[in-house]
Amino acid sequence: EAQVTQNPRYLITVTGKKLTVTCSQNMNHEYMSWYRQDPGLGLRQIYYSMNVEVTDKGDVPEGYKVSRKEKRNFPLILESPSPNQTSLYFCASRTGSLEQYFGPGTRLTVT
Amino acid sequence: EDKVVQSPLSLVVHEGDTVTLNCSYEVTNFRSLLWYKQEKKAPTFLFMLTSSGIEKKSGRLSSILDKKELFSILNITATQTGDSAVYLCAGMPSNDYKLSFGAGTTVTVRA
Repeated sequence: EAQVTQNPRYLITVTGKKLTVTCSQNMNHEYMSWYRQDPGLGLRQIYYSMNVEVTDKGDVPEGYKVSRKEKRNFPLILESPSPNQTSLYFCASRTGSLEQYFGPGTRLTVT
Repeated sequence: EDKVVQSPLSLVVHEGDTVTLNCSYEVTNFRSLLWYKQEKKAPTFLFMLTSSGIEKKSGRLSSILDKKELFSILNITATQTGDSAVYLCAGMPSNDYKLSFGAGTTVTVRA
């Protein structure tokens, strides 16, 4: 089954404790993205990747890092999480100018 | 900076009503406009519109794009309670890298 998976689905952590949210897709898609979704603000892109080892900042990259060492994986790293990074995070992938598939989401709470 | 604005922000209708959602965009090197439905989980793809004036239809949902006036509408006829969701639109530029999402329209359909 074609899908985008994310782990963990829920995470509660404390300020400053490094964390990684994994994202994996099995569709051989070139493009992968991370978004955060906050009430009233819609989906805002954090980082995106056009292919292996090629990444670029989206609209809200501060406080986040990404890497794309393999085509299928695109982890999101929060080196020192802060409460303003409490949000719902989505990973997504697509190929070319076609529809984008979203992962199930990760709800992160930073206290 | 690219901008996508949706209206209204929310609306409440009764089963059987017709709903029209609006999406205006300012996207540099615009290629396509996408519509998604989100029901308390990941967004699911509805339509991708690239050509002006050509209606896309799926069951009770339809959408059209006006590239001269820079907007799109999504119509839902004979609404059902299962249509209750947040509807998101996004602009895709020709370089394909970055989707810009609107804040969404929350539709509530009452029985």
